[in-house]
Amino acid sequence: QVHLVQSGAELKKPGSSVTVSCKASGDTFRDYTITWVRQAPGQGLQWMGRIIPLLGVTKFAQKFQGRFTITADKSTNTVSMELSSLRLDDTAVYYCVRDRDSHGIDYWGQGTLVTVSS
Amino acid sequence: DIQMTQSPSTVSASVGDRVTITCRASQDISKWLAWYQQKPGKAPELLIYAASSLHTGVPSRFSGSGYGTEFTLTISSLQPDDFASYFCQQSNSLPWTFGQGTKVEVK
Repeated sequence: QVHLVQSGAELKKPGSSVTVSCKASGDTFRDYTITWVRQAPGQGLQWMGRIIPLLGVTKFAQKFQGRFTITADKSTNTVSMELSSLRLDDTAVYYCVRDRDSHGIDYWGQGTLVTVSS
Repeated sequence: DIQMTQSPSTVSASVGDRVTITCRASQDISKWLAWYQQKPGKAPELLIYAASSLHTGVPSRFSGSGYGTEFTLTISSLQPDDFASYFCQQSNSLPWTFGQGTKVEVK
């Protein structure tokens, strides 16, 4: 069993940055891939990028290259994402998830609403 | 990126109905497809992975089939708890991509 707890909702101005954290408990955190997925209001799901905490290896969607980073702190079982140069259309619920590739995404955080508004 | 297209976008059904949702991939993804259920204000939950494998704890009325570019999710007898949105997701090649979703609503 894995439990993913994310930080709280954020209200940001266009052009600023936001950091969302995701603390894992339960199963061995470092052995899995943690992915960030977002969902704009009333929209579908969008894969943003991922990290393998054990290795520190990251992979990002082309759309977010250059303004999206993911880091992992193995000592606290926490993965964090930072999205910079925020735009109005970055308003969404951001989820951290445990990604098991061919076995699907089996654990989801509760989601963090990031609102970008002037 | 691989494009995933779901149909229909909305299904109107009654308790006890058989419901089928289709997901098409823009290229061959072998069997690397998952299905999720999402209720309003909640995170999605995994139902099916590898096209037809039922995730732990998911009721057997849910089933998945397909290979290559065409896949289906079937609910054999719709229950009150099943009124929700459903998404498909390919895990053949990064970036993973999702269908736009199908809402199952009360007829």
